[in-house]
Parts: sequence; structure tokens; C-alpha cells
Amino acid sequence: AQKVTQAQTEISVVEKEDVTLDCVYETRDTTYYLFWYKQPPSGELVFLIRRNSFDEQNEISGRYSWNFQKSTSSFNFTITASQVVDSAVYFCALSEENTGNQFYFGTGTSLTVIP
Amino acid sequence: DVKVTQSSRYLVKRTGEKVFLECVQDMDHENMFWYRQDPGLGLRLIYFSYDVKMKEKGDIPEGYSVSREKKERFSLILESASTNQTSMYLCASSLPAQGWAEAFFGQGTRLTVV
Repeated sequence: AQKVTQAQTEISVVEKEDVTLDCVYETRDTTYYLFWYKQPPSGELVFLIRRNSFDEQNEISGRYSWNFQKSTSSFNFTITASQVVDSAVYFCALSEENTGNQFYFGTGTSLTVIP
Repeated sequence: DVKVTQSSRYLVKRTGEKVFLECVQDMDHENMFWYRQDPGLGLRLIYFSYDVKMKEKGDIPEGYSVSREKKERFSLILESASTNQTSMYLCASSLPAQGWAEAFFGQGTRLTVV
């Protein structure tokens, strides 16, 4: 079974629009970690954020914000006032304390920001 | 700056060839990973290694092997390349931190098997 689901395969928005990328996860561990990565056209995945299962505080970093809700097993990512440079593939990932050496990635969401 | 370096950005190989993909990290990380990325399938784990000479199969190990003789280097080997192994291959490394440590990725190797 897929541990991390990113239902949105592709999203297109016009520059300056807000966009939310969805991530739903599945785990039985009580201690786990969620990540978001950005993969620009150059190919290298870049780490954006990590949350642990005990910290449900939302986080904001500039135009980026993350909404972690254990009740719905979701860890959604919002880009405010999108820019062309935000165009990339975004991956959500899960790691579990009990299988700490593995990361489970979603299938990614390809975001295109149209100027 | 942390670095994971993959030896080639692009490779073209013939069916049946033995192919080596090399990955080196300079962060003294214990964990190293090889993923394959295909459209619509995301990242799928081929193998990972949590120490020198240690390896574990991931989700899709068939047709691949790995070698980790030194801590900084993790090699992916395609014993006999086939066209269905045409893909983007990503190497990553991380600390062995019970799940909390993020992975650092190389720039990827786009392999085409003809």
C-alpha cells in the first residue's frame, strides 16, 4: 500500500496565485517524520521542511507554509503569491522511527507557474 | 556545503552492457540510497546501505546490485542493462537518525538503454 499519496499529478497556476499541494500519509508508528522536497528542472531534490509527529504547529517560511493535521493524516504545502521560479516537481515523504533508514516518497506533484 | 555527487548526468548504454553508476558523498553519512524516478511513479527505492559493506533491498532490486566498499561511495550496478531500465537514477545520503534526518540528493543520472 502506498504510504504517501499525492493525488495531484500536475497543477498549473498563473503567477501570483496561491496554490496548495496535498499530501496524505499512512503509518502505524507513533513517531514519524514528514518531509517536503522540491525538484527543479535541474534534477536535484532540495529539502524544504521536516515535521515530526508530535509537532502539529503550522510553519511559515516566507511565501511557503505547511499545514500538518494528524486527524486527517495530511501535510499540505501552500505557496502564496506563486512565482515562475516555483515551477518544479514537489515530493512529500515519510520516515518512521521504527524503520528509520527508509524514506517513503509520494509520486510527486508537478507545478507549473505561468507568467 | 553538503555534497552528493553522481559521476554522470547522462549515460547511453547498449542492451546487455554492464553499467556502473557511481555516487560519492562528503558528509560522512552512514546511510546511502539509490532511487529510480519514472513519470507517474515517483521515487522508488532500489537499494540502500546503512554502513560499509552493508546493503538492503528496496522495493525494486531486480536487475540491480550495489557495492559499498568505502563509506563515502555507493555504486549501483546494472548487471545486464535492459531497455526497461531507462530512467532517472538518484543517489542520496543521510544520517542514521531514527528517521528524523533529511536525505541529501545528487543531481541524478539520466540513463538511456538502447
